[in-house]
Amino acid sequence: DQQVKQNSPSLSVQEGRISILNCDYTNSMFDYFLWYKKYPAEGPTFLISISSIKDKNEDGRFTVFLYKSAKHLSLHIVPSQPGDSAVYFCAATLNYGGSQGNLIFGKGTKLSVKP
Amino acid sequence: DAGITQSPRHKVTETGTPVTLRCHQTENHRYMYWYRQDPGHGLRLIHYSYGVKDTDKGEVSDGYSVSRSKTEDFLLTLESATSSQTSVYFCAIRGNRGETQYFGPGTRLLVL
Repeated sequence: DQQVKQNSPSLSVQEGRISILNCDYTNSMFDYFLWYKKYPAEGPTFLISISSIKDKNEDGRFTVFLYKSAKHLSLHIVPSQPGDSAVYFCAATLNYGGSQGNLIFGKGTKLSVKP
Repeated sequence: DAGITQSPRHKVTETGTPVTLRCHQTENHRYMYWYRQDPGHGLRLIHYSYGVKDTDKGEVSDGYSVSRSKTEDFLLTLESATSSQTSVYFCAIRGNRGETQYFGPGTRLLVL
């Protein structure tokens, strides 16, 4: 059963507007959530993370919001730029026991930012 | 740049042949991971290592083995490649502290 879900396979946004990418999870024991961006033929690139004890983390144009009671997080990109067009993966990790900090990924959302 | 290289970057092989993919890091990080990426599945963990000679299975380990004889190298072996192992393989590293993994450029493998 999928523990990290990205229910929107794709999203199209106009340049300059806000992009909102969503992610849901089922395991309340996850202690960190991460977002990665992936361009074709390249490896995933780390974008931003948030601890489970926080509800918001901001880095430049990127902000991640965590809604623990709903087991939901979202990534906001403001303003969106054509260079943001990529596949975005949500991931979660457990940093205790035998998990060794392994990441569990969602299936990704393809963002297209149109000029 | 996380200092990770993968080789080869592309490979075409035939069913039943052994294949070894190499991940090399220059960061001296303790943790190394192998993932595969397939359409509709995101990235899935194959095997990981938490030190020299210390490895463990991930979510999709069947048909794969790994070895880590040096801190900087993590090898993924397909003992007898099958068409279902056609995929893009990514290596990742993580330091002793922190949750962030950093990924290599990937190896595109086609098994005919």
